Amino acid sequence: KAGVTQTPRYLIKTRGQQVTLSCSPISGHRSVSWYQQTPGQGLQFLFEYFSETQRNKGNFPGRFSGRQFSNSRSEMNVSTLELGDSALYLCASSRGQGAIGELFFGEGSRLTVL
Amino acid sequence: DAKTTQPPSMDCAEGRAANLPCNHSTISGNEYVYWYRQIHSQGPQYIIHGLKNNETNEMASLIITEDRKSSTLILPHATLRDTAVYYCIVRSITSGSQGNLIFGKGTKLSVKP
Repeated sequence: KAGVTQTPRYLIKTRGQQVTLSCSPISGHRSVSWYQQTPGQGLQFLFEYFSETQRNKGNFPGRFSGRQFSNSRSEMNVSTLELGDSALYLCASSRGQGAIGELFFGEGSRLTVL
Repeated sequence: DAKTTQPPSMDCAEGRAANLPCNHSTISGNEYVYWYRQIHSQGPQYIIHGLKNNETNEMASLIITEDRKSSTLILPHATLRDTAVYYCIVRSITSGSQGNLIFGKGTKLSVKP
């Protein structure tokens, strides 16, 4: 079956702009999580959505937001971009039922902020 | 902060077993040990997880000590394609959430010909 799909794969923005990233989970998966990966901080959890509700949130400023649609697809938005927001943004999906479950990651969206 | 400690890097000869250690001395009774790996420029890939018994799947084996304070991921016959950063993660089964993983810095495994 198709894996997790993230779009766009690469994008360049300038400081102060906003960006929206999209994630389509594996069919049947109801949980979508987002991570930020930078060379300095590594992989950091942003937030998790399940059945259109945010279930968990990491320690990121309010400029980072997300949502999930009824078909489980998810978007994340970063407003007022800063240079430090340059990173690989990864989306992962899982069944979402119960606490045991593997995450399936997409290839990521690489954001460069100039 | 990550609740695990891993060596920053390891080398392994192609065809030999790669044994990747992980220390999780503060693990609690309701926490599983998960292993993921990340090949350069790709998203992390799930490998295996376990609670207290040793586990094996088509990719690897997971050996957890009796006191559960450490574990070892074993790739039985490493290939060049196993070169990646390997992450050991502990997470509670009562968290009610599948998506919140705390990644540490992992071990960069280099498989050499």
